[in-house]
Amino acid sequence: AQSVTQLDSQVPVFEEAPVELRCNYSSSVSVYLFWYVQYPNQGLQLLLKYLSGSTLVESINGFEAEFNKSQTSFHLRKPSVHISDTAEYFCAVNSQTSFSGGYNKLIFGAGTRLAVHP
Amino acid sequence: NAGVMQNPRHLVRRRGQEARLRCSPMKGHSHVYWYRQLPEEGLKFMVYLQKENIIDESGMPKERFSAEFPKEGPSILRIQQVVRGDSAAYFCASSPTGQINEKLFFGSGTQLSVL
Repeated sequence: AQSVTQLDSQVPVFEEAPVELRCNYSSSVSVYLFWYVQYPNQGLQLLLKYLSGSTLVESINGFEAEFNKSQTSFHLRKPSVHISDTAEYFCAVNSQTSFSGGYNKLIFGAGTRLAVHP
Repeated sequence: NAGVMQNPRHLVRRRGQEARLRCSPMKGHSHVYWYRQLPEEGLKFMVYLQKENIIDESGMPKERFSAEFPKEGPSILRIQQVVRGDSAAYFCASSPTGQINEKLFFGSGTQLSVL
């Protein structure tokens, strides 16, 4: 069975410091990986995704994630965080495959709360 | 352009009562997903619906839970005879075509508390 593990439930960091949020997955099928972000009192929003091709994917607000097949990881990084990055971050894998005409049946990790302090 | 709307935002029920959670997808979206988040856990898939059809309900408990997405109106997640273990955040997401890996748009969730 597929699963997603987010190793840190909370990550405190100072503004302008780098951050890495860790995510490991287990999957026996083609892997489609996602990071979603949830700001306070809002719904989840897609931050970035890996489907195929380049193993490094980037978001428009400076986050990046690297797909590492050998380590079954998809860690999220940002070189310099802002106060506004304070949110909960969810890693997810799609349990479906395109070969089966699949849809978006996502398996989520438990989330990591990123708290950016001034 | 309104996003995915869920209501109520908070719902309090006593054990044995019924809970009805509503989800209005984004305009033009005909695919709806429901997820449940228990405390300290990730979101868990419950059900995937298209207009008037349940496509995948493998994550729904076999008893007391039902979902619908009628031709007109919002999608409804209905929980009969609620128990304390049903207390959770329930999130709805929608997408335009249902294609795999298409971006999902999530609502802000309904927090259900069972007393």
